[in-house]
Amino acid sequence: QSALTQPPSASGSPGQSVTISCTGTSSDVGGYYYVSWYQQHPGKAPKLMIYEVSKRPSGVPNRFSGSKSGNTASLTVSGLRAEDEGDYYCSSYAGSNILVFGGGTKLTVL
Amino acid sequence: EVQLVESGGGLVQPGRSLRLSCAASGFTFDEYAMHWVRQAPGKGLEWVSGISWNGNNIGYADSVKGRFTISRDNAKNSVYLQMNSLRAEDTAFYFCTKDIYDYVWGAMLFWGQGTLVTVSS
Repeated sequence: QSALTQPPSASGSPGQSVTISCTGTSSDVGGYYYVSWYQQHPGKAPKLMIYEVSKRPSGVPNRFSGSKSGNTASLTVSGLRAEDEGDYYCSSYAGSNILVFGGGTKLTVL
Repeated sequence: EVQLVESGGGLVQPGRSLRLSCAASGFTFDEYAMHWVRQAPGKGLEWVSGISWNGNNIGYADSVKGRFTISRDNAKNSVYLQMNSLRAEDTAFYFCTKDIYDYVWGAMLFWGQGTLVTVSS
């Protein structure tokens, strides 16, 4: 069980797009479509933004999108807004009832 | 409205035990998998354990396997985490979460506010 690899930081100006990567292995990200993304603001519980690689829960803006290629999943935030600033975590099912998170990416809106 | 309320956290000495509870309401509890996720202060998220709707499918992170036990009581709409042989590195906020699936696939739509466990002498 190794943590998924995310860049520690990402940034963009308001209105721009930013993509955060999440790299695993064929035993987790590459092997299943159960990849999720979470947003966390300071002092708050995480919020589910994307599940099953690219699906959005009700209420999540369509500015958030997800994709996967091989062992790497990606979260793209389009039309960046100040409220998008926060920490983002990916997670993946890894078989045998095991889940694994990424180390997190701090998104800064410049 | 879905509510997940954790309890049982606190200060405990290394090597001792603690039992966390999570009381759920606002949804049909016995239809969904549940998880415990922890976050050390200032650090990232770490999945700890998950349990399927009927309790028959359970998983643990390597860091807690053999020391922690997850269970659920569908009659009481509650999930538990028994934590034994606690270590300093177990210090964290522990979140109870609800999956959107019945099995441990890992889309955690609802989160509790967390309970702090501090392991220190």
